[in-house]
Amino acid sequence: SQQGEEDPQALSIQEGENATMNCSYKTSINNLQWYRQNSGRGLVHLILIRSNEREKHSGRLRVTLDTSKKSSSLLITASRAADTASYFCATVTGTASKLTFGTGTRLQVTL
Amino acid sequence: DADVTQTPRNRITKTGKRIMLECSQTKGHDRMYWYRQDPGLGLRLIYYSFDVKDINKGEISDGYSVSRQAQAKFSLSLESAIPNQTALYFCATSDSQRTGGMETQYFGPGTRLLVL
Repeated sequence: SQQGEEDPQALSIQEGENATMNCSYKTSINNLQWYRQNSGRGLVHLILIRSNEREKHSGRLRVTLDTSKKSSSLLITASRAADTASYFCATVTGTASKLTFGTGTRLQVTL
Repeated sequence: DADVTQTPRNRITKTGKRIMLECSQTKGHDRMYWYRQDPGLGLRLIYYSFDVKDINKGEISDGYSVSRQAQAKFSLSLESAIPNQTALYFCATSDSQRTGGMETQYFGPGTRLLVL
């Protein structure tokens, strides 16, 4: 069973706009990670946020975490066509280092 | 990630056949994982190995087996393939030196398997 559910399932925006995708999860976590997958290829790690952190930035990425609501959001600012991909959140519970993935958001950025 | 390679990249097989998917890594990581991805779904963990002598079942291990031949190699076998094992399979690695569960995982390019 998936720990995380992502919303929306699909998102289409124009280049230059911001893209926001959300992730909800069910149980307490150690950390939450976001990964990106270009069509049919392997996942690439984007950013990790610890359970005691509320916000983290990396370049054009901003991640927030609300443990009281068991939710996280990923914001991509000033999107580019190259950002077109699927984005997955993944949670780690305890210290076991196993990832439990959400169902993903497919982002399409058009010119 | 070119440091994690998977062979074959594509495979078509028939129901009942035994098939092995192989994963090799040059990252020097001690932990390795096998996932499957079905259309519209996230990745689900099949097996994971924290070192050569430590193999653990994941969420969906039925119908699969694994072998950790060396720190750098982790193979996934389907003993008797069935059509609902048609999926995209990914190998991943992580480094336990990142303690406290703060590891990130590095993924191979995937193996697309079709079972007829």
